[in-house]
Amino acid sequence: EVQLLESGGGLVQPGGSLKLSCAASGFTFSSYSMSWVRQAPGKGLEWVSGISGSGGLTSYADSVKGRFSTSRDNSKNMLFLEMNNLRAEDTAKYFCAKDGGPLLVGASNYWGQGTLVAVSS
Amino acid sequence: DIQLTQSPSTLSASVGDTVIISCRASQNIGTWLAWYQQKPGKAPKLLIYKASGLESGVPSRFSGSGSGTEFSLTISSLQPDDFATYYCQQYNSYSSFGGGTKVEIK
Repeated sequence: EVQLLESGGGLVQPGGSLKLSCAASGFTFSSYSMSWVRQAPGKGLEWVSGISGSGGLTSYADSVKGRFSTSRDNSKNMLFLEMNNLRAEDTAKYFCAKDGGPLLVGASNYWGQGTLVAVSS
Repeated sequence: DIQLTQSPSTLSASVGDTVIISCRASQNIGTWLAWYQQKPGKAPKLLIYKASGLESGVPSRFSGSGSGTEFSLTISSLQPDDFATYYCQQYNSYSSFGGGTKVEIK
């Protein structure tokens, strides 16, 4: 059974940093690209970042480019999102998602339950 | 960046109705489009991939069509479990989501 479990969310001050983790199980982790998607309270979905199965390719939404960094440790079946210079508008629930193949971005067929990030002073 | 525009933003329907949700892309994305269903407090669920591919386990009353810039999701014979918010997503150039369509009970 595919499982994705996010952790690392919390309250952080504007300008601060936070690192989210996603523990994956139930599938061959290195064979699939992974995505981070966020949802601000009461708002729609926003794609944040994607990473290829090998970890060699990454992509980011313009809203986070230069501030967020996605990485993965295929030996430990872990996905990470390092977030720097956080802003109030980054407040959201962050989901990790498994894509349908190894390419950089794809349709996400499994999702975690999300971790909440609140940016406030 | 590719923008996706969904319409309508809200749709009122009754059990048994057929509903159609539209998604328009700001540029040609081929068939690199997915549809998701999301219920309050839950993660999104993939319904359709590559514009018309039915994800495993998804009821056949859900169908997708379109290519290029115009796409649609059709739900035939709406069931009580289908009242939710639906999103389209393009993955032709990086990725982006539409603004969502809430299907509510009439």
